[in-house]
Amino acid sequence: GQQVQQSPASLVLQEGENAELQCNFSTSLNSMQWFYQRPGGSLVSLFYNPSGTKQSGRLTSTTVIKERRSSLHISSSQTTDSGTYLCAPLYGGSGNKLIFGTGTLLSVKP
Amino acid sequence: GALVYQYPRRTICKSGTSMRMECQAVGFQATSVAWYRQSPQKTFELIALSTVNSAIKYEQNFTQEKFPISHPNLSFSSMTVLNAYLEDRGLYLCGARTGGREQYFGPGTRLTVL
Repeated sequence: GQQVQQSPASLVLQEGENAELQCNFSTSLNSMQWFYQRPGGSLVSLFYNPSGTKQSGRLTSTTVIKERRSSLHISSSQTTDSGTYLCAPLYGGSGNKLIFGTGTLLSVKP
Repeated sequence: GALVYQYPRRTICKSGTSMRMECQAVGFQATSVAWYRQSPQKTFELIALSTVNSAIKYEQNFTQEKFPISHPNLSFSSMTVLNAYLEDRGLYLCGARTGGREQYFGPGTRLTVL
């Protein structure tokens, strides 16, 4: 089955530092979504990115399908960026399944 | 915009009893609905995917007998956790989409089993 690994599992930054979160997947996909999980558990969709690079404010997502990887770059981190970041490749075939990665827990200290 | 509502947000049930949770898509047609569970300290596991005009497909380790799902129209789905036990506790998310596009998630139903 599909495997989705994220690295690092956890990351501690000082406010203002940049972060690079990685997502590696085992089989080819149709698209990639990145989510931020709030402390209460709900998900915030950050990017829906079939391929290439997308930017939204301080966040940049880059997906290279043939290399089976995606990354999320956070620039000038803020304490409010703390939380869990999840990548979720969308696999085609019958049904278009979204499979979640293992997650990166980010802690940004003031 | 596209929104997904889930009800209830939190629920507690006694071990061995069952509980039903609901998912409603607003502002778009949910041609497919996926149910996920996040157990404590784990990532989200796909339980099943329901696509209009297709049979509901359950992932390994999840069965219709344990997690029956209803998807009667393009805006509503429900799932029941039958005979809930401690290992069924966690956050249950409903994700809905139109076609192969971005999936929108509800806020989740958090299940506690006593």
